[in-house]
Amino acid sequence: DADVTQTPRNRITKTGKRIMLECSQTKGHDRMYWYRQDPGLGLQLIYYSFDVKDINKGEISDGYSVSRQAQAKFSLSLESAIPNQTALYFCATSNSITQYFGPGTRLTVL
Amino acid sequence: GENVEQHPSTLSVQEGDSAVIKCTYSDSASNYFPWYKQELGKGPQLIIDIRSNVGEKKDQRIAVTLNKTAKHFSLHITETQPEDSAVYFCAASTYAGNQFYFGTGTSLTVIP
Repeated sequence: DADVTQTPRNRITKTGKRIMLECSQTKGHDRMYWYRQDPGLGLQLIYYSFDVKDINKGEISDGYSVSRQAQAKFSLSLESAIPNQTALYFCATSNSITQYFGPGTRLTVL
Repeated sequence: GENVEQHPSTLSVQEGDSAVIKCTYSDSASNYFPWYKQELGKGPQLIIDIRSNVGEKKDQRIAVTLNKTAKHFSLHITETQPEDSAVYFCAASTYAGNQFYFGTGTSLTVIP
């Protein structure tokens, strides 16, 4: 997990606020992903990127945006947070076959 | 798109017994099936995977089987130990790895 870091680890914010979650990796992988985890729903893909110039929507991209600042950095933004975006968020990297996950960010929107 | 279903959602076993978790998938194009273990407060970690050209793979106490015809694959843990307690996720993807589709997770509790 130390190869993939996420900041912050925990965040409480209010409805309507803009918030950014950051992900960094030292594995040298081109592919990076953002997932959301809710109890009983497993992991749902929000966005993914295969290189700095490539951004793709996942299953549940509405209300989210991303930025791939460098090969090693992939950030997720909530432009105007709402309570149903309260969840655990994971960043992952991939060598195209295996995914490696970060430790997660627990986000609470009040 | 792909739909992965996972059962059971919760599983309790006595220490030393075996545990089996089953997943089904819908897209015949899927050919890579990893299993992840998620411990409390941590991200999922890959524990074993199988590709569609193989029917079974084993790594110490953990094994995975794949039935391509029936589109289902299973995780088998033998001689369970308390440290096996965690949430386990199955997933399906293609070799290209464009997207990974996850099951809803199984919370395994091993009772000492």
